[in-house]
Amino acid sequence: SQTIHQWPATLVQPVGSPLSLECTVEGTSNPNLYWYRQAAGRGLQLLFYSVGIGQISSEVPQNLSASRPQDRQFILSSKKLLLSDSGFYLCAWSRGGRSSSLYGYTFGSGTRLTVV
Amino acid sequence: GQNIDQPTEMTATEGAIVQINCTYQTSGFNGLFWYQQHAGEAPTFLSYNVLDGLEEKGRFSSFLSRSKGYSYLLLKELQMKDSASYLCAVRAGYSTLTFGKGTMLLVSP
Repeated sequence: SQTIHQWPATLVQPVGSPLSLECTVEGTSNPNLYWYRQAAGRGLQLLFYSVGIGQISSEVPQNLSASRPQDRQFILSSKKLLLSDSGFYLCAWSRGGRSSSLYGYTFGSGTRLTVV
Repeated sequence: GQNIDQPTEMTATEGAIVQINCTYQTSGFNGLFWYQQHAGEAPTFLSYNVLDGLEEKGRFSSFLSRSKGYSYLLLKELQMKDSASYLCAVRAGYSTLTFGKGTMLLVSP
């Protein structure tokens, strides 16, 4: 069976510090991978998605970047955090290719980031 | 772009039935999903509709009308553990899911 791991669960970082959140998927190959952010009182906002190694699509221009160095690894980064980067960050995966339309996403457990 | 609307909050009583509505506007519709999200946790998949009609899965059912851009999630025999946020999400073509802001459901005794 497929599993998705995301860490850390919570993080408190000062303004201006760097960020690295990691997400890995097991039990599948060539998944589509996604990073979402959920701010208080707001819906899930898609930040980045990837359909393959080294392929990153950015949905919203901002202070963050993403990388996919391996097939089942997805990393969210920032060089200098802003207060507005606080939120609940969720990694998700879905089956790759056209079959992805038949399935929803499976989410990781999330990272609660507080920038102080 | 896509626009998804659902009520912000709903309240219901344990044992009752509740219907959570979702309206959407999109081109190239290719599926509507419902997710449940408990406070502080990740969303979990509940249902998927791509054709018109009702999909039933235990106490939960989801309905879709593509011509009206409308879906609802029906929860029967409500339990306290059903208190959560319910997210409607739409896929256009083979692209990513766009989520609504969610409906917070509070179930009281």
